[in-house]
Amino acid sequence: GNSVTQMEGPVTLSEEAFLTINCTYTATGYPSLFWYVQYPGEGLQLLLKATKADDKGSNKGFEATYRKETTSFHLEKGSVQVSDSAVYFCALSSRTGNQFYFGTGTSLTVIP
Amino acid sequence: EAQVTQNPRYLITVTGKKLTVTCSQNMNHEYMSWYRQDPGLGLRQIYYSMNVEVTDKGDVPEGYKVSRKEKRNFPLILESPSPNQTSLYFCASRSNGQGGLPQHFGDGTRLSIL
Repeated sequence: GNSVTQMEGPVTLSEEAFLTINCTYTATGYPSLFWYVQYPGEGLQLLLKATKADDKGSNKGFEATYRKETTSFHLEKGSVQVSDSAVYFCALSSRTGNQFYFGTGTSLTVIP
Repeated sequence: EAQVTQNPRYLITVTGKKLTVTCSQNMNHEYMSWYRQDPGLGLRQIYYSMNVEVTDKGDVPEGYKVSRKEKRNFPLILESPSPNQTSLYFCASRSNGQGGLPQHFGDGTRLSIL
């Protein structure tokens, strides 16, 4: 079956530190992979995505590369800001695109 | 403004009292879906709909019903709510197509079943 395993949190970093949030997946076929971000009191917003192996998604300084050989989609940012404090979810969609599977979420707090 | 609107945002009710959470989108999306978010479990898919009159179960459909009579609306129905359905619920929509299309999420409905 399909599943997503995400790095446990919470994560606390100082401003301008390097961020990595690990995500690995199990899937049949060739899923699409996503990172979503959730700010307090809001719904999820798409941060970036990748639809095939070796694709790199990027947005707002965040990056993640679809690694089929290691079944991973780790999120990285070179220099975090206080405004990046949020909960981050790794997700995959099934090959048909109808079913979605989310990780448990990683809470990030960036302190000045 | 493109959006997914859920109502109510907050609801406290009692066991066994039927309730409906509405979801409406203004983007003419074919696909809509419901999720519940619980601490330590992330988001889990309850039901989804590929188009009008087409619905299917997600991972955790027990205790829930949905209907899709119109393209823009996808209500979630709890016929006899129980305390284990206390959760944060999200509705989402997207266009149909291949799996790489992202979903647009509502702001959530927090349900407390006493």
